[in-house]
Amino acid sequence: KQEVTQIPAALSVPEGENLVLNCSFTDSAIYNLQWFRQDPGKGLTSLLLIQSSQREQTSGRLNASLDKSSGRSTLYIAASQPGDSATYLCAVRPRSSNTGKLIFGQGTTLQVKP
Amino acid sequence: ETGVTQTPRHLVMGMTNKKSLKCEQHLGHNAMYWYKQSAKKPLELMFVYSLEERVENNSVPSRFSPECPNSSHLFLHLHTLQPEDSALYLCASSQEVGRETEAFFGQGTRLTVV
Repeated sequence: KQEVTQIPAALSVPEGENLVLNCSFTDSAIYNLQWFRQDPGKGLTSLLLIQSSQREQTSGRLNASLDKSSGRSTLYIAASQPGDSATYLCAVRPRSSNTGKLIFGQGTTLQVKP
Repeated sequence: ETGVTQTPRHLVMGMTNKKSLKCEQHLGHNAMYWYKQSAKKPLELMFVYSLEERVENNSVPSRFSPECPNSSHLFLHLHTLQPEDSALYLCASSQEVGRETEAFFGQGTRLTVV
């Protein structure tokens, strides 16, 4: 059974710091991995999608990596800003399913202090 | 704006009420999903529809009844709910249920059962 874990559960950093959020999954048989951002009480905004054949994806100050063999992904945020404060979720699409389901971690809640 | 719109944004209902959640996607996608997000738990998949056909029911109680009249609209009909059903209900869509597809989420409906 695929399980997704995100560490740490919460993180507080001063503005301007570079930071790394971690995501691990137990079964390397995935189609892709997606990172999302969720603001309090709101829906999910897709940040980056990494296909299983890819090693990393970049969008602006965000860079996500994928090491499928070790079951790990990281989301790197450069020069953090208070507006980056949110919960970050990672989700994998397992090969064991043909219905497009995503398996989510519990998220890392990030606070960037001015 | 993700192209997926959910209404209402907030809903309070009694345990004997009947209500419906609505989701509409403007992305031309063929697959739609309902997820449930409870406090302190990861998002859980409830239902998947592909081309208006239900392809997954993730052991959801019958008091939740989905309906997909066309590929752009998805409903979740609610009746005789329990207080533990209070949660954020999120709708998502993807181009297809296939392997490399990316999911896009709506803003969610915050449901409170009293």
